[in-house]
Amino acid sequence: GAVVSQHPSWVICKSGTSVKIECRSLDFQATTMFWYRQFPKQSLMLMATSNEGSKATYEQGVEKDKFLINHASLTLSTLTVTSAHPEDSSFYICSGGEGISDGYTFGSGTRLTVV
Amino acid sequence: AQSVTQPDIHITVSEGASLELRCNYSYGATPYLFWYVQSPGQGLQLLLKYFSGDTLVQGIKGFEAEFKRSQSSFNLRKPSVHWSDAAEYFCAVYNQGGKLIFGQGTELSVKP
Repeated sequence: GAVVSQHPSWVICKSGTSVKIECRSLDFQATTMFWYRQFPKQSLMLMATSNEGSKATYEQGVEKDKFLINHASLTLSTLTVTSAHPEDSSFYICSGGEGISDGYTFGSGTRLTVV
Repeated sequence: AQSVTQPDIHITVSEGASLELRCNYSYGATPYLFWYVQSPGQGLQLLLKYFSGDTLVQGIKGFEAEFKRSQSSFNLRKPSVHWSDAAEYFCAVYNQGGKLIFGQGTELSVKP
């Protein structure tokens, strides 16, 4: 089945720095990838939809300049948290798939801690 | 607008007992429905899905779910729970915008 590899699994960064999270589709071409944010004991909140070769579509209330998404190839989508602050600390998860018929596959998530 | 409701935030069952996790959806057309499981600190794994046809669908790890249009429900069941089933369970519906809409999640604890 489809596999999405997400790295890093966890990262600690200083306030004001930027962090890049990568999601790679290992055995399928992901024209679309989804990025979620999850707070402890809560559900997944969709942040944005990244489309290969075009600009990402952000959900209402998500800062485009804070969360930069790049989807330059059919196998790689990245999320960069710019000028990170402690309130950006969270669990970030990506997902994708060749189509909804198989259900979307999720990465293993990235735990971001900003100190 | 499409939405998913999981009424139970936390459920505790004894190992070996049966399990039913509730899910209600709001969707105008025939929904595409999913159940995912998430272990702590991990991503989500697909348990099963429903698109059409037989309303009782079988999934991995011995789970099944039944689609009931009249009740707008898609409840997840397992006849005998194992300690390794302790996790967070999410019901989701696929919307016309190509996105998954998730419920709030149900945390399952298993007593020995």
